[in-house]
Amino acid sequence: DVKVTQSSRYLVKRTGEKVFLECVQDMDHENMFWYRQDPGLGLRLIYFSYDVKMKEKGDIPEGYSVSREKKERFSLILESASTNQTSMYLCASSWGAAAGELFFGEGSRLTVL
Amino acid sequence: DAKTTQPNSMESNEEEPVHLPCNHSTISGTDYIHWYRQLPSQGPEYVIHGLTSNVNNRMASLAIAEDRKSSTLILHRATLRDAAVYYCILRDLSFYNQGGKLIFGQGTELSVKP
Repeated sequence: DVKVTQSSRYLVKRTGEKVFLECVQDMDHENMFWYRQDPGLGLRLIYFSYDVKMKEKGDIPEGYSVSREKKERFSLILESASTNQTSMYLCASSWGAAAGELFFGEGSRLTVL
Repeated sequence: DAKTTQPNSMESNEEEPVHLPCNHSTISGTDYIHWYRQLPSQGPEYVIHGLTSNVNNRMASLAIAEDRKSSTLILHRATLRDAAVYYCILRDLSFYNQGGKLIFGQGTELSVKP
């Protein structure tokens, strides 16, 4: 079975801290995605990557950056965490074909105090 | 990005069929219709997808209107474990080289009564 693993299920950080959210997939997928999910707003795409070292902005990239140095790993970075970044973060991956399904991790719930 | 419209919520009785509608009147020729569901406290999971023809898999069936402006996800016998938020999403094939991103709407919250 395809597995998308997010490094932490729950994190609590302080305002201004640098935060790394890690995501690893084990199926040699080309594409990887980071979403955040908030009540009433649904899932919103932050960044995605379709190849190593390639990245594209999603709908809400402000305040975030990403890194993809290896094919299996896609990191989301909050350079200076703020309270409005308190959210559930979901990582996903897929093969290159646009018709293919996305496989999601279980999510990382981040609280910024 | 083309948009989808779904009812906010639906109710079903256990062991009865469920038809979840989705309107996508601005769908383009390169859009695939995807359905995902999200169980409580979990990430979304893939259910089914199609382009023009009706599709069946072990989880559900997807009925696509001839003009492709609407579709219906069919759960043949709802169980309590099917209670989830169901998302209908259009995935643009023209983004093939850019990851084929999925843009989620609000989805339909399905509750299943015993």
